[in-house]
Amino acid sequence: KAGVTQTPRYLIKTRGQQVTLSCSPISGHRSVSWYQQTPGQGLQFLFEYFSETQRNKGNFPGRFSGRQFSNSRSEMNVSTLELGDSALYLCASSLRTGDGYTFGSGTRLTVV
Amino acid sequence: AQSVTQLGSHVSVSEGALVLLRCNYSSSVPPYLFWYVQYPNQGLQLLLKYTTGATLVKGINGFEAEFKKSETSFHLTKPSAHMSDAAEYFCAVSDLGYGNKLVFGAGTILRVKS
Repeated sequence: KAGVTQTPRYLIKTRGQQVTLSCSPISGHRSVSWYQQTPGQGLQFLFEYFSETQRNKGNFPGRFSGRQFSNSRSEMNVSTLELGDSALYLCASSLRTGDGYTFGSGTRLTVV
Repeated sequence: AQSVTQLGSHVSVSEGALVLLRCNYSSSVPPYLFWYVQYPNQGLQLLLKYTTGATLVKGINGFEAEFKKSETSFHLTKPSAHMSDAAEYFCAVSDLGYGNKLVFGAGTILRVKS
């Protein structure tokens, strides 16, 4: 059974640019969440999608957005990149609430 | 609001010794609790979870945790540490009232000495 796939694994962008990260959940999982991991702030929740609807959103500026498609694949977008957006972005999927998430290997974004 | 406190950002044990990683949580409703492990340059792997029922939960790789409501704790233990256990461990809480959102602790880096 394939796990959660995130692409790309590594990304280098320039300040002010925008970026789109992709996540393919485990087949059959309809809940997809995104987390940002940094050394200073740790793991912080970005948003959760379930059946194409954003069910929950973390405390991030509007530059961070996401969406989920009918096949449960998800993308997150960050516009007007700032140096502080450099982080490991983790996507996770879940079959049922309370199951716990299966995480992907993440996309490491570096903003220069 | 939910929160998780992991006592000790770094824990060092000898190979074969007991591993004890501490986690205390705050939640206004009965929580779901999780432990995850992260190896360098990888995502998080679920070790074990508590939802309802038996308060002693067994997970993968010989780890277990006990939910103690009176102490609001969910400490992770393993009787005998192995070199391969060296990693960062995260405790997380979800109260389901906020969808499937997880609130993570700051993490504990486990070092295993030979």
